[in-house]
Amino acid sequence: DGGITQSPKYLFRKEGQNVTLSCEQNLNHDAMYWYRQDPGQGLRLIYYSQIVNDFQKGDIAEGYSVSREKKESFPLTVTSAQKNPTAFYLCASSIDDGLATDTQYFGPGTRLTVL
Amino acid sequence: AQSVAQPEDQVNVAEGNPLTVKCTYSVSGNPYLFWYVQYPNRGLQFLLKYITGDNLVKGSYGFEAEFNKSQTSFHLKKPSALVSDSALYFCAVRVSLSGSARQLTFGSGTQLTVLP
Repeated sequence: DGGITQSPKYLFRKEGQNVTLSCEQNLNHDAMYWYRQDPGQGLRLIYYSQIVNDFQKGDIAEGYSVSREKKESFPLTVTSAQKNPTAFYLCASSIDDGLATDTQYFGPGTRLTVL
Repeated sequence: AQSVAQPEDQVNVAEGNPLTVKCTYSVSGNPYLFWYVQYPNRGLQFLLKYITGDNLVKGSYGFEAEFNKSQTSFHLKKPSALVSDSALYFCAVRVSLSGSARQLTFGSGTQLTVLP
């Protein structure tokens, strides 16, 4: 987990609220990612960013939004449009060597629960 | 499209015995394969990866994996299991395609339990 921090560790949200999950890295990595983990389903990509001020949708982007204003920060907002947001959210980063061989390193995660 | 299968949801092994966690993949092109481990309520930790070259890859904590192109497999192995190896293991694949996201596709995970 070293070098990538996520906060908060636990987050509770009422239905209809937007919440923002923080992800910061001090590894000087270019690329950052957000994944959602549900039991028995592995990890699914929500959004990723290969460079500042640019990001791309992953497989399950609906109901989520991101920004990448700084290289070291990639916050994720879970909007009220996300119908089933209760999950474990993982942020990752990588060097992005342009060859797809780079290793993604993960933060400790944020567990979001909708009340 | 790329996909990864981990056919076993749960693997139990006695401490000191060898362990194997299975992974098969399906890609169009040359695969880059990764293994990660996750302890409860923690992020994923990188164990090892196969890019090219020697089919036997050695990684962290005594783990190794063998890339088998003909069987499209990348099984994770360790000669002697420890109780502390008990965790959730994920296999992941990526293919280098020009103009693509190069995103990682993860398997559903295998829960390894090492019994004392």
